[in-house]
Amino acid sequence: DTAVSQTPKYLVTQMGNDKSIKCEQNLGHDTMYWYKQDSKKFLKIMFSYNNKELIINETVPNRFSPKSPDKAHLNLHINSLELGDSAVYFCASSQDKKGEAFFGQGTRLTVV
Amino acid sequence: GENVEQHPSTLSVQEGDSAVIKCTYSDSASNYFPWYKQELGKRPQLIIDIRSNVGEKKDQRIAVTLNKTAKHFSLHITETQPEDSAVYFCAALRAGKSTFGDGTTLTVKP
Repeated sequence: DTAVSQTPKYLVTQMGNDKSIKCEQNLGHDTMYWYKQDSKKFLKIMFSYNNKELIINETVPNRFSPKSPDKAHLNLHINSLELGDSAVYFCASSQDKKGEAFFGQGTRLTVV
Repeated sequence: GENVEQHPSTLSVQEGDSAVIKCTYSDSASNYFPWYKQELGKRPQLIIDIRSNVGEKKDQRIAVTLNKTAKHFSLHITETQPEDSAVYFCAALRAGKSTFGDGTTLTVKP
């Protein structure tokens, strides 16, 4: 069983479109995250949710809107996609706000 | 906010040698310091971690040291093997926010 799973694995879309990435964890963790990894491999936190509540919102354009319907899910919706949004997006979860993050396999988003 | 600096950005060693990667952080309230290994095309995975109340931790060929006063921590890999080749990230965490270093690409030559 995959601990943190995100779909889709690859996403190619045109500029201006709206797309969503879904994430689910079956570890019973309280905290979930979205990270962006750019072409230089830098990993930056975007959002952090604890028990469905947003606790961290880095300086991310408001075209990015996370949604946590329950503790096990954290989805990412992106409006009006831009070329610079091309990256690998990782979902992750941790038992609480203090510990190890378990990463999903990543979604490679390519905006053309 | 927290700032994590990681050095070197690339490191090449011969198989069997040791490798050391260093990180410094700025926020004295950070209290958890994990190290992740990311192989090409894969997800980052935890290899070792240390909390702020501990100075050193070892797991087989991997060790991490933490100097809270100087705000730096280091990853030590001994007897390196080709399968250790990957990108290594340090991170500092405080209250749900992890700040990652920029990564070190380690190449172990057979």
